[in-house]
Amino acid sequence: NAGVTQTPKFRILKIGQSMTLQCAQDMNHNYMYWYRQDPGMGLKLIYYSVGAGITDKGEVPNGYNVSRSTTEDFPLRLELAAPSQTSVYFCASSPRNWGANTEAFFGQGTRLTVV
Amino acid sequence: LAKTTQPISMDSYEGQEVNITCSHNNIATNDYITWYQQFPSQGPRFIIQGYKTKVTNEVASLFIPADRKSSTLSLPRVSLSDTAVYYCLVGDYNQGGKLIFGQGTELSVKP
Repeated sequence: NAGVTQTPKFRILKIGQSMTLQCAQDMNHNYMYWYRQDPGMGLKLIYYSVGAGITDKGEVPNGYNVSRSTTEDFPLRLELAAPSQTSVYFCASSPRNWGANTEAFFGQGTRLTVV
Repeated sequence: LAKTTQPISMDSYEGQEVNITCSHNNIATNDYITWYQQFPSQGPRFIIQGYKTKVTNEVASLFIPADRKSSTLSLPRVSLSDTAVYYCLVGDYNQGGKLIFGQGTELSVKP
């Protein structure tokens, strides 16, 4: 199994450009998450989804949009990129969010720089 | 969501046992306690999860006292490769999907 796959691994954007960070999982997990991690800081939840067609805001949703048309894919869209969005972005999935024997699986991350 | 408090950083030496304590005073009856490990430039990785008493796996042990207001992650005989950030998460399935990470504890293992 590939697990959680994020593309691209690295990207440099100019201020005002837009892009989509891709995330795909092959574990048939219902729950998917997007996080950002600034240098030396913990992970901040941007958006999450509890199943296809259902998304909700996390702690820091401003400047981002998501969609979940299939169980496998959970793309994150950045509109009008700003320097404050320079960060490492992680996608994760889990069969459910909590409960016995529940764990989230993370992708390798996308390092985004906005100049 | 139960708020968690962990030390920001800890130092250790190779071969020592490391105990990282997480406080969660307002933990609810249905909440589980989960620990993740994150190496530099990688996504977090699940280490261990528990509800009460003691849980042990091939990587670590998790000690949870009867009142469940704290938990201790124990790493036996650490090596340099255990240098990482360790996150304590507390919650239950009634949270509606949110999986919130705190600041974590940065563990530095020295030779």
